Amino acid sequence: GNSVTQMEGPVTLSEEAFLTINCTYTATGYPSLFWYVQYPGEGLQLLLKATKADDKGSNKGFEATYRKETTSFHLEKGSVQVSDSAVYFCALRSNSGNTPLVFGKGTRLSVIA
Amino acid sequence: GAGVSQSPSNKVTEKGKDVELRCDPISGHTALYWYRQSLGQGLEFLIYFQGNSAPDKSGLPSDRFSAERTGGSVSTLTIQRTQQEDSAVYLCASSLASGNNEQFFGPGTRLTVL
Repeated sequence: GNSVTQMEGPVTLSEEAFLTINCTYTATGYPSLFWYVQYPGEGLQLLLKATKADDKGSNKGFEATYRKETTSFHLEKGSVQVSDSAVYFCALRSNSGNTPLVFGKGTRLSVIA
Repeated sequence: GAGVSQSPSNKVTEKGKDVELRCDPISGHTALYWYRQSLGQGLEFLIYFQGNSAPDKSGLPSDRFSAERTGGSVSTLTIQRTQQEDSAVYLCASSLASGNNEQFFGPGTRLTVL
C-alpha cells in the first residue's frame, strides 16, 4: 500500500539557518504530494503541494520538488524564523478521485532566536 | 467563510464509556474524512464519506468505532467502550466533491481516556 516516511524529529535550528526535512514515499501510480503544517495550538494547514513529477510547490519561503526518480518530496527553507516552529507532515494522495491522505509521522521543528 | 468545526474541543472520559465526536464540514463540501493523531502513530485515516456513496471504513481500528453522516453534512464519530489506547486527537477534514481537491482540517477533538 501507499506509505510516507519522513525524517524523525525533533529538529532544533537557530534563526536564519537552512532547513531540510526529508520525505520519501511509496505509492502505485503517480500520487499528489503535500506538506502540511501544524502550528502550536492550531489546526493542520496545507503548506504546499505538487501534483506531478518535477513540479515544485512553494509557500512562505518553503519549497519542495516532486522527484519521481527518487520518490522524494523534501521540504526546504533557506532561512528559518522563530515563527516557523511547528510540526510538519509530509503526505500523499492517490490521484484516483477524492481519496484520503496518507501521512508521515511528522517532524517537530523548533527555531531558537 | 466558516471553516471545519469540531466539538467538543476536549473530552475526558472513563475507560468503558461511549463517546461521540462531532464534525461540521465547510458548507458545500461533500467529502468528509476522519483522521486520528496519536503519539508515535502520526496521523491515521479512519473513515471517509463522499456524498451518498457507502463510506470507506477501511481505516477504522476496531468495531468499537463507527461514524455516520446525516443529511450529507454533519458527521458523528462514535467510540464505544473506550480504551486508554483510544486517547488521541481526532481530526475531521472536508473537501469539494470531485477531483483532487484540498482537504481543510478542523481544530480536532482531544480525547483522553482515563
